[in-house]
Order: sequence, then structure tokens, then C-alpha cells
Amino acid sequence: IVLTQSPGTLSLSPGERATLSCRASQSFSSSFLAWYQQKPGQTPRLLIYGASNRATGVPDRFSGSGSGTDFSLTISRLESEDFAVYYCQRYESTSVTFGGGTRVEIK
Amino acid sequence: VQLVESGGGVVQPGGSLRLSCAGSGFTFSSFGMHWVRQAPGKGLEWVSFIQFDGSTEYVADSVKGRFTISRDNSKNTVYLEMSSLRAEDTAVYYCAKDLVRVAFEFWGQGTLVSVSS
Repeated sequence: IVLTQSPGTLSLSPGERATLSCRASQSFSSSFLAWYQQKPGQTPRLLIYGASNRATGVPDRFSGSGSGTDFSLTISRLESEDFAVYYCQRYESTSVTFGGGTRVEIK
Repeated sequence: VQLVESGGGVVQPGGSLRLSCAGSGFTFSSFGMHWVRQAPGKGLEWVSFIQFDGSTEYVADSVKGRFTISRDNSKNTVYLEMSSLRAEDTAVYYCAKDLVRVAFEFWGQGTLVSVSS
């Protein structure tokens, strides 16, 4: 299964809404879809698991949704610390696949 | 929770290296562990997984036959033994704590492996 993230780069201003897409080449259970944030020079951080469950300590401006082949991550109002690269992930029983990432940059 | 990787460095093509990841702040022996790598300026690539008790291991096709994952729960440490290294194995290697086989709950700071002559 291939995960395609779009857009590659999202240029937005603080306070705006960001919607990131993750599309799978085949349908799978939303239980196994996760989202990560990676800031420059930092380690990845789990944001969302099971497509819509926020990880511990993740602000509620982050939300995830979707099913089947189409999933999305929404940041309701961008704050300065949210400008980063975001990856979706499919966790299969014997392997794990990441999408190519979406960079959210300051416009 | 803390994960600390070590063992990275510069190695010649065809060489070998063993990475270690020491876990603390949680019951290490109760959780599966992963290795994930990130080539310079590139995205994330899953490398390998080992079950909490070491009974099951999975390895990405790109490293199958060359990389081996293992763990020593008495030392709270997971290892990645890498052999026949290639230039394309150059990356930061992260270990990550598994979250009930659905996500990676926590990541270490990574260790850089550079394969170059």
C-alpha cells in the first residue's frame, strides 16, 4: 500500500486553517492510520492514532478524520509552533508505511 | 519516557555497525520496539520491529538479509545489527516505542549512520 500526501507544501499564515490529505492506494482500517509532526532538527512526535485519536498532550486544534482510502489532518488555527512537516503512517501487521510528508510553512 | 540511541558513525561500504537504544521511564519488557530511519533531507522509512518478548521480528524489504533486530530486556535495550552497508543506508536511525501495534508512541533523538569510503 502506498500513502500519498498532498499538498507537498502548504503555505499559510498563523491563525489560518490547515487541511492535510493522506490517500492510500488500497482501503484499510482507520484503526491503523496515524499522523506525526516533525519540526526541523527534531525527532518526530505522534499527534493522532486510530485516524482520530489525539495522543497525550496534543492540543485540540489538531484533529484527524477519514476512512477507507482518504484521511485528513486538520489544524484549526495555526500557531507559530505548528509550522513543520507532517507524515501519515499506515501500521500493518508485518510492516509500516509512511507517506512522503506535507510541509506546512509560513506564508 | 526516554529512548537513547547510540552506535552511529562513519563506516565504509560493505561494513557493519551495531546500533543500540536504551529505554527508561517505562516497563521496557512490555512494549514492542521499532527502528525507523531518515535519509538526509528525506522522509521517514520504517526499518524493523521486535515484539516485547523478542518472539517476533519484522524487517523492511530494503534491509532484509542485511539488518537484524534484537533486544535484551535485562538491559532495557534494543539493538540493530547492520551489515553489508550501502551508501543508501546513510540516515539518522531512530528507535521508537510501540503503541499497541497501531502507532509509534515515543521516539528517541536518533543516531547518524554515514556509509562512505
